Amino acid sequence: SAVISQKPSRDICQRGTSLTIQCQVDSQVTMMFWYRQQPGQSLTLIATANQGSEATYESGFVIDKFPISRPNLTFSTLTVSNMSPEDSSIYLCSVGGRNTDTQYFGPGTRLTVL
Amino acid sequence: EDQVTQSPEALRLQEGESSSLNCSYTVSGLRGLFWYRQDPGKGPEFLFTLYSAGEEKEKERLKATLTKKESFLHITAPKPEDSATYLCAVQGRGSQGNLIFGKGTKLSVKP
Repeated sequence: SAVISQKPSRDICQRGTSLTIQCQVDSQVTMMFWYRQQPGQSLTLIATANQGSEATYESGFVIDKFPISRPNLTFSTLTVSNMSPEDSSIYLCSVGGRNTDTQYFGPGTRLTVL
Repeated sequence: EDQVTQSPEALRLQEGESSSLNCSYTVSGLRGLFWYRQDPGKGPEFLFTLYSAGEEKEKERLKATLTKKESFLHITAPKPEDSATYLCAVQGRGSQGNLIFGKGTKLSVKP
């Protein structure tokens, strides 16, 4: 399985500011996914990020609020823009396994917006 | 719409007391059903993938089974270290590979 790291692991931010979360993988992967896990809720997919193309966003999520970069096959960033307390969540990146449909997750970024 | 429902929401067991967690799903063409374990403050840890009805997989005290409508995660003689939230997710054939998750079952095993 891939080894995935995320930075920062946690942060406390002020309303109206933006935070960029980094996801680094120890091997080249085609697809990376960004999920949100709100307190007591399921993991919800924000967007799918393929290298060399625009990210594909799920219903309810827009690029202006959650811009994503995917500059190479081992790295991606998710920015949470103009934050409000409702954005307080755990943000997780995941990658697909080689030749399998299984996804492996990073440790997550716990975001608190005051 | 693809959907996953897990029950119970929480389960308390005594050490050694076997039980099962349920995952009911509706999906337009199942590509795979996944079980994960999540400890507090950590990302989900992969346990099993099941692809077709009748399939079973085992790992230590855990055994996952699959039918056309639901999956069970059987825990035999659990230990306190099995305490965690267990997540079920499905992947549909029409998806780009993304997973639809249930809310999870929080398992507590007391010594």
